[in-house]
Amino acid sequence: DGGITQSPKYLFRKEGQNVTLSCEQNLNHDAMYWYRQDPGQGLRLIYYSQIVNDFQKGDIAEGYSVSREKKESFPLTVTSAQKNPTAFYLCASSRGQEETQYFGPGTRLLVL
Amino acid sequence: EDQVTQSPEALRLQEGESSSLNCSYTVSGLRGLFWYRQDPGKGPEFLFTLYSAGEEKEKERLKATLTKKESFLHITAPKPEDSATYLCAVQGGTNAGKSTFGDGTTLTVKP
Repeated sequence: DGGITQSPKYLFRKEGQNVTLSCEQNLNHDAMYWYRQDPGQGLRLIYYSQIVNDFQKGDIAEGYSVSREKKESFPLTVTSAQKNPTAFYLCASSRGQEETQYFGPGTRLLVL
Repeated sequence: EDQVTQSPEALRLQEGESSSLNCSYTVSGLRGLFWYRQDPGKGPEFLFTLYSAGEEKEKERLKATLTKKESFLHITAPKPEDSATYLCAVQGGTNAGKSTFGDGTTLTVKP
């Protein structure tokens, strides 16, 4: 089955800790995206990558970092600099940069 | 800057009671308008892409339409299983590859 997987489903972060969220796709899509969703709100773009070894900041990149070493993988690190990390994180991919984005099931990050 | 406003924020319908959700947008050179359905605790599920004013697309009880300033998602004879949050997003010409999302409309259909 082709699709996008995210892990873990739930993640707990302690103060001062960096945590990494996984996103993998087997759709052979070139573009990948990370969004943050807070309760009752829409999606806000954190980072996106249109091709391997290249990525751009979205609207709320501060406190986050990404890498795109492989076409199928786009991990997101939530650093200790992100003071309010509690949210639902969604990864998406698309065939090209102006095409329909398809989403993974999400990771819920909570702070202990 | 691209902007998307969805209304109403919440909509409660009786089963079989048809209605419409609105998505108003401001974008420089629309590249595409997207509708998604999101169930609680899950990722958005793609419904439709519209590219130009006058375009319409249908899927079961849902029909999406597009004008130069807004899009409507019409729901005909809804069922309880249509209850979800519906998200609208746009891609504009000045921000290639970046989608701007609205805050969504939460639809509840009562039996």
